[in-house]
Amino acid sequence: DAGVIQSPRHEVTEMGQEVTLRCKPISGHNSLFWYRQTMMRGLELLIYFNNNVPIDDSGMPEDRFSAKMPNASFSTLKIQPSEPRDSAVYFCASNPSGRANEQFFGPGTRLTVL
Amino acid sequence: GIQVEQSPPDLILQEGANSTLRCNFSDSVNNLQWFHQNPWGQLINLFYIPSGTKQNGRLSATTVATERYSLLYISSSQTTDSGVYFCAVVGGNKLVFGAGTILRVKS
Repeated sequence: DAGVIQSPRHEVTEMGQEVTLRCKPISGHNSLFWYRQTMMRGLELLIYFNNNVPIDDSGMPEDRFSAKMPNASFSTLKIQPSEPRDSAVYFCASNPSGRANEQFFGPGTRLTVL
Repeated sequence: GIQVEQSPPDLILQEGANSTLRCNFSDSVNNLQWFHQNPWGQLINLFYIPSGTKQNGRLSATTVATERYSLLYISSSQTTDSGVYFCAVVGGNKLVFGAGTILRVKS
C-alpha cells in the first residue's frame, strides 16, 4: 500500500514567492494533518482536516499560510508571500478516523526560502 | 496544554548495547506514539501504545498511563537505529511531540 505522498520533496524559492505544498493521504483515511518541523520549535501541528473540513487551524502561524482539502485524496498548504523564517520541513499525516488514532506521516517537504 | 518530556536528550551507544528511552507526560492521554526519525528525515511509526506493552523485534515499549510515562527499549542496538526518537501524545485535539532523544550508535 502506498503511504502518505508529499510533493515536492525539496523546494528552494526566493523570499516573496508563492509556495504550494501537496499531500495525498492514505486511501480510506479521513483525517489529514499538516505539521512543521524546525530546530527551534520542533514538530508542531499547523492545521488538521476531518472529512475534508478544517477542524483546527490555530497552529497556522499567520495569514500568509493557508490550507485546503478539496477532496478526500488531496490537500495543499500554501505560503504567500514566503519568508526566510518559513524554511522548515513540512510533514503531512493522515489517520483512519477521529483525532486520537494512530497517525502516519509522509516523507516531508524540505522548504528553503532564500 | 499537555507537556511531553523526553530523556535523555542525547545518547551514544556502542553497537550491541541496550538502551531505555523515557517519555513523561503531564496529563492523561488516550493516544501515545513512538516515532523514529531516521537520518534522511523520515518519521517512521514504531508503536501506537496508549497503555500496556508491545514488542516488535528488538524494540519494545511500555506505557503506564496511570503514572503518565512511557518507555522505549532498544536491545542489541545497530548503527541503523541512529536518529531521533520522538514520543507524541494527544493533548486536547492535537498530537503533541516531545523534543526527542538523539541516538547515535557507533560500530
